[in-house]
Amino acid sequence: QSVLTQPPSASGTPGQRVTISCSGGSSNIGFNTVNWYQQLPGTAPKLLIYTDNRRPAGVPDRFSGSKSGTSASLAISGLQSEDESDYYCAAWDDSLNGWVFGGGTKLTVL
Amino acid sequence: QLVESGGGVVQSGRSLRLSCAGSGFSLSAFGAHWVRQPPGKGLEWVALLSYDGINKYYGDSVKGRFTISRDNSENTLYLQMDSLRAEDTAIYYCAKDLGSGRHDHYGMDVWGQGTTVTVSS
Repeated sequence: QSVLTQPPSASGTPGQRVTISCSGGSSNIGFNTVNWYQQLPGTAPKLLIYTDNRRPAGVPDRFSGSKSGTSASLAISGLQSEDESDYYCAAWDDSLNGWVFGGGTKLTVL
Repeated sequence: QLVESGGGVVQSGRSLRLSCAGSGFSLSAFGAHWVRQPPGKGLEWVALLSYDGINKYYGDSVKGRFTISRDNSENTLYLQMDSLRAEDTAIYYCAKDLGSGRHDHYGMDVWGQGTTVTVSS
């Protein structure tokens, strides 16, 4: 059971906009920033969004992050087949004094 | 980039030491993490060490058994894993922190390709 809760799966068709949610509590998302990671099959995770809504250089602006209270969301617009991947949210937890990850969401492009 | 090494097959109860070498940038200026992923499962944070080696943080499942350390002169991060259990079987990734890793917590940005640890009973 992960501290951060994500839906196990999501799907969309090419060109569509999809969102992935990440629900936490006051000790993690409520007081600390959220990062999002993309993990393509058989590869290492890649930073997609940091500090709630910032994109590292090279990440397309189709990817965006937002946060409200104790929940965060990753939105992907103009869905492409290469976006088919696992997505994880992560945040520092003040109670655990460590980082926590969501269980991951497998995105399928239909 | 970051390159992990030291993984392998080890019997339950034994020890293993992982290394993570940084190249192309100075890992010594940043905090550094170990994150693992059991076969077919999600990511689990293992440990964080501040840039200066002073602040250490561990996940509950490894506390008291694993030790994170670094040699900034060699631009290398380590993970000493003792009293290994079957549930420690995973791909182990090292990752650089966006910040110092002391009291600021920005998270992982650059990741290595991972090294596989298999604990047999």
